[in-house]
Amino acid sequence: EPEVTQTPSHQVTQMGQEVILRCVPISNHLYFYWYRQILGQKVEFLVSFYNNEISEKSEIFDDQFSVERPDGSNFTLKIRSTKLEDSAMYFCASSERTGFIDEQYFGPGTRLTVT
Amino acid sequence: GQQVMQIPQYQHVQEGEDFTTYCNSSTTLSNIQWYKQRPGGHPVFLIQLVKSGEVKKQKRLTFQFGEAKKNSSLHITATQTTDVGTYFCAAGGATNKLIFGTGTLLAVQP
Repeated sequence: EPEVTQTPSHQVTQMGQEVILRCVPISNHLYFYWYRQILGQKVEFLVSFYNNEISEKSEIFDDQFSVERPDGSNFTLKIRSTKLEDSAMYFCASSERTGFIDEQYFGPGTRLTVT
Repeated sequence: GQQVMQIPQYQHVQEGEDFTTYCNSSTTLSNIQWYKQRPGGHPVFLIQLVKSGEVKKQKRLTFQFGEAKKNSSLHITATQTTDVGTYFCAAGGATNKLIFGTGTLLAVQP
């Protein structure tokens, strides 16, 4: 069964450093997303991406964040200058259809630890 | 902004007992999805409800969408240890973003 993959599984970085989290969505999917989950809390929407541009972003997704689809398979989340509060599990997700009613397939996540 | 709350936050049951989690939104929902997250895992889609008053079943799981489309529930009959995890409702909208509920962590004692 096709699945979303994410690398790395765990990233440790120092405050102020840039990080890039990588995702490979399911190949025939058209919508891509990033969510984050601080330990023990709910999953929070960051950004959605369709047709090579951002569809929607949350208040969390400020100027320090950016997303890119550099080629036909990868989808990346960059945090320019990490802060301690960016420590969380980051999930990539993808969905197939362009309609608003669609299940999302989540990757296994990247645990980001900012020290 | 839209808020989606779930109760209870945590439920501990004996294996074989039933379990229910309730999801409430501050606004009327277009649709509601339910996800399960095993400890250390990622959210996995369970079901989607669209119509007012809709009821769907998956084996021992029963999902309901309220008549006013502002609340939903998930009921598990005769829990098993494999049901352990956090159950999230998630409100879907026109742009496909999901607003996750606060989640209910289910612990099942054998």
